[in-house]
Amino acid sequence: GAVVSQHPSRVICKSGTSVKIECRSLDFQATTMFWYRQFPKQSLMLMATSNEGSKATYEQGVEKDKFLINHASLTLSTLTVTSAHPEDSSFYICSARNSQGGGELFFGEGSRLTVL
Amino acid sequence: AQSVAQPEDQVNVAEGNPLTVKCTYSVSGNPYLFWYVQYPNRGLQFLLKYITGDNLVKGSYGFEAEFNKSQTSFHLKKPSALVSDSALYFCAAGGATNKLIFGTGTLLAVQP
Repeated sequence: GAVVSQHPSRVICKSGTSVKIECRSLDFQATTMFWYRQFPKQSLMLMATSNEGSKATYEQGVEKDKFLINHASLTLSTLTVTSAHPEDSSFYICSARNSQGGGELFFGEGSRLTVL
Repeated sequence: AQSVAQPEDQVNVAEGNPLTVKCTYSVSGNPYLFWYVQYPNRGLQFLLKYITGDNLVKGSYGFEAEFNKSQTSFHLKKPSALVSDSALYFCAAGGATNKLIFGTGTLLAVQP
């Protein structure tokens, strides 16, 4: 099946610094990628929809200046958590839909962010 | 508003017994329905989907799900559970919009 690679899988950073997470579709082109956040023992919360070549669409309550999304190519989207705080610690998961596929989303392995 | 409900936080079943994980949905337009499985500290793995066609959908690892339009349900089933099936299962639905909405997840625990 289609593969989505997410990097890094784990990152620890100091409060006030910025962290970038990459999401790549390895064997298909994805005009749209999605970023989710998952809290412990909770479901996935859609943060934003990343659109290749245009601005991301953020869900209500998600700060666009806090969570910068860039979708520079058909196979790469990045999420940058700016000026991270401990409350930003979470599991971030990206997903992509194969433009030529059957509609299902393929997910990255997730990135565990810990802000000290 | 679109929503997906998984009424059970946890389902316990003995190995070899059949299992059912429940899901109901509310979306605008024709529903697109999915089941995903998540192992600890991992991303989600696709199990199966319903777009159109037969109401009974067969997926990976022996799982299947039945689309019931009148009950707006899409329950996940397996005839004989394995200990290795123990994981967190998510139902998801999409409709007229491009977004997938996820249920809250059901933890499946299969006892040997």
